Amino acid sequence: AQSVTQLDSQVPVFEEAPVELRCNYSSSVSVYLFWYVQYPNQGLQLLLKYLSGSTLVKGINGFEAEFNKSQTSFHLRKPSVHISDTAEYFCAVSTPSGNTPLVFGKGTRLSVIA
Amino acid sequence: DTAVSQTPKYLVTQMGNDKSIKCEQNLGHDTMYWYKQDSKKFLKIMFSYNNKELIINETVPNRFSPKSPDKAHLNLHINSLELGDSAVYFCASSQGALSFYEQYFGPGTRLTVT
Repeated sequence: AQSVTQLDSQVPVFEEAPVELRCNYSSSVSVYLFWYVQYPNQGLQLLLKYLSGSTLVKGINGFEAEFNKSQTSFHLRKPSVHISDTAEYFCAVSTPSGNTPLVFGKGTRLSVIA
Repeated sequence: DTAVSQTPKYLVTQMGNDKSIKCEQNLGHDTMYWYKQDSKKFLKIMFSYNNKELIINETVPNRFSPKSPDKAHLNLHINSLELGDSAVYFCASSQGALSFYEQYFGPGTRLTVT
């Protein structure tokens, strides 16, 4: 079975500073990896995903993530955050075999401070 | 025009009651999901339907019964509500059942059982 660990439950950062949200996964087979964002009182929205190929994945709103197989990580980065990036961020994993469900991490609350 | 909609948005009820949550998507997707998000923001899949057929059924109590009258709708009926059922329930849809498809989430239904 797959699992995801998001190492930080809360990350405060000043506006225009860079940020990295950490995600590690566990799986005995190949994986698909995702980052979803949940703005206050809304549903989740896909930021980016890694399926195969280039390990650096670019997503919406200036976010990117790098798949590192040896470290089993998929950390999310943004070089300069805005107040509007304040939200809950979820890392998720699934596998290419069949209809495997998404397994989510416990989320990281990003708070951008003016 | 809302892609994935849920009704009601808020639901407050007493223990022992039976309630339903409705979900509709207008994206033309053939796969729909129900997720439960607990008070600590942990998100876990409950069910998934593809073309009105149940394809994922996680270890959910029998009191929860999903129903898919057509590909655009997936309703969740809950019998004999318990305090532990209090959570936010999200409906989602995707173009297909395979795990690499992006999932589109509804705004959530906050269920409070007193």
